[in-house]
Amino acid sequence: QVQLVQSGAEVKKPGASVKVSCKASGHTFTSDYIHWVRQAPGQGLEWMGLVNPSGASTNYAQKFRGRLTMTRDTSTTTVDMELRSLRSEDTAVYYCARPKRYYYFDDWGQGTLVTVSS
Amino acid sequence: QSALTQPASVPGSPGQSISISCTGTSSDGNDYKYVSWYQHHPGKAPKLIIYDVRKRPSGVSNRFSGSKSANTASLTISGLQAEDEANYYCSSYINNSIWVFGGGTKVTVL
Repeated sequence: QVQLVQSGAEVKKPGASVKVSCKASGHTFTSDYIHWVRQAPGQGLEWMGLVNPSGASTNYAQKFRGRLTMTRDTSTTTVDMELRSLRSEDTAVYYCARPKRYYYFDDWGQGTLVTVSS
Repeated sequence: QSALTQPASVPGSPGQSISISCTGTSSDGNDYKYVSWYQHHPGKAPKLIIYDVRKRPSGVSNRFSGSKSANTASLTISGLQAEDEANYYCSSYINNSIWVFGGGTKVTVL
């Protein structure tokens, strides 16, 4: 059974960076794309970007380009999402998600709350 | 990237059928072939309930169905039940490895 387990909640100050991890088990991690999706309080889901199976290729939504980096470590079956220059609007629950079918998000992590506050 | 437009809320009574629309931008050249729907209960992870516009993953109730006309996709929930009260999001692959979500629709069971 596929499981995506994310790292714990974080509290950061404006201007800082945050790194959220997503550890996969129960499937062939090396063949999976991993996406990141977030939900700010009272807002909808927002697609942030993806990293390909090898980790060599990423693509980010335009609004995050320049301050978002996704990396993966195949030896630890972990994908990391780092968001820099945090602002209060980045306060959100961040999810990693895995497609079984390329275009869709079949499996999700449990979510990680990131709070940005001075 | 342009978002997908959904109604903010749709109410329904138990046993009733309701539909949620999801409208894309007709000028973006996307045929919205890769539309999916997610059910999201607060505090839980979203759940895929429809993919490829109208297909259901294994284990998803057949009370959920999807359709599409031009650049508008729709999710229909038939025989509405209390457990269906949740937020529902459409999503579409746009192009060039870009995805987008709709703004979400809160379904309330009266």
